[in-house]
Amino acid sequence: EIVLTQSPATLSLSPGERATLSCRASQSVSSYLAWYQQKPGQAPRLLIYDASNRATGVPARFSGSGSGTDFTLTISSLEPEDFAVYYCQQRSSWPPLTFGGGTKVEIK
Amino acid sequence: EVQLVESGGGFIQPGGSLRLSCAASGFTVGNKYMSWVRQAPGKGPEWVSVVYIDDTTYYADSVKGRFTISRDNSKNTLYLQMNSLRAEDTAVYHCAKAYCSSSNCYPAYPDSWGPGTLVTVSS
Repeated sequence: EIVLTQSPATLSLSPGERATLSCRASQSVSSYLAWYQQKPGQAPRLLIYDASNRATGVPARFSGSGSGTDFTLTISSLEPEDFAVYYCQQRSSWPPLTFGGGTKVEIK
Repeated sequence: EVQLVESGGGFIQPGGSLRLSCAASGFTVGNKYMSWVRQAPGKGPEWVSVVYIDDTTYYADSVKGRFTISRDNSKNTLYLQMNSLRAEDTAVYHCAKAYCSSSNCYPAYPDSWGPGTLVTVSS
């Protein structure tokens, strides 16, 4: 089973700042990685699939990059609604699908 | 508009059984890859099961042999039969439709999740 490790656990930033979130896989997942956003009391929402493709309706300030074992989610300029928990997920070797432990982006 | 609403959760003793339902609207469950994903309190998501369009099913090792995913196309509803429940099965259970771009569908990327139903397994 592929293990995904996200860092940092918490990111404290101000609106308008750039957010850079990391996800590292225990073995190569090629480009088969997604990013999800989860707000309190809500279900996760797919943001990025196959490392760099924005899902339908996702704002352009969200971008994904990386391949192999190291991936990054970048939020170019944080909006108030972007403060949430972000999870990465791989589909390279499945089943099972696996998720990372999450990064919380909080208001500084 | 795609909508998914789960039901059937509750408090159950270890060893017991529950059947979760996921009522869909805005699309046909029989034409989509459908998944169950659970989330224990304060934890990240954990994938549970998927059913393909051709009815092929897959399960996480932690639930294999105990859980069964199925669907009733006439009711446009997805189900998860859960037997031999354990304390570690305690979680909010979400159903989700696979993400489809303009050109492809991705069974391994759950999208359009329902709000979930809470299952608590405890003595």
